[in-house]
Amino acid sequence: NAGVTQTPKFQVLKTGQSMTLQCAQDMNHEYMSWYRQDPGMGLRLIHYSVGAGITDQGEVPNGYNVSRSTTEDFPLRLLSAAPSQTSVYFCASSLRGLAGNTIYFGEGSWLTVV
Amino acid sequence: AQSVTQPDIHITVSEGASLELRCNYSYGATPYLFWYVQSPGQGLQLLLKYFSGDTLVQGIKGFEAEFKRSQSSFNLRKPSVHWSDAAEYFCAVGDKIIFGKGTRLHILP
Repeated sequence: NAGVTQTPKFQVLKTGQSMTLQCAQDMNHEYMSWYRQDPGMGLRLIHYSVGAGITDQGEVPNGYNVSRSTTEDFPLRLLSAAPSQTSVYFCASSLRGLAGNTIYFGEGSWLTVV
Repeated sequence: AQSVTQPDIHITVSEGASLELRCNYSYGATPYLFWYVQSPGQGLQLLLKYFSGDTLVQGIKGFEAEFKRSQSSFNLRKPSVHWSDAAEYFCAVGDKIIFGKGTRLHILP
């Protein structure tokens, strides 16, 4: 099983550029989310989705957009990248709300904004 | 609002010694609580979780955690650590999974 797949694994952007981090899961999970991880800050929730067509903001949503047109995919968009968005990004999913089921994490995407 | 506090940024213990990592949470209802471990350059692995029932939860790799509602705590313990336990440990709470800032565990030989 592929589980949660994130692409790209590594990316360097220039300030002001846009890009999309892709996240796909093949487990028919309803719940998906995006985190960023920074040294000393733990993982902070950016956006999450409880099902196709439904998204909501997490702790640090500014500068990021998401959409959930299918159950499988949950892309994270940076419309105008800033150096403060240099981070490691993790996508996660679970079957029916994170609390009731095991959460699966992707392997991470390392993003550097110069 | 949900929040998690891990008071210790770094902890160093000798191999074979016991370990306790602290976690305090803020949550409006009966909390869902988790401990994750992350090795350098790796993703997160779930050690254990608490949803309800027995307040002492057993996890993988010999870890356990105890939920104490009166103290709003969910501390992680291990009776005897191994060098391979050196990693960063994250406590998390809630249905959206809000993480603490982590505790980095160092093991002395």
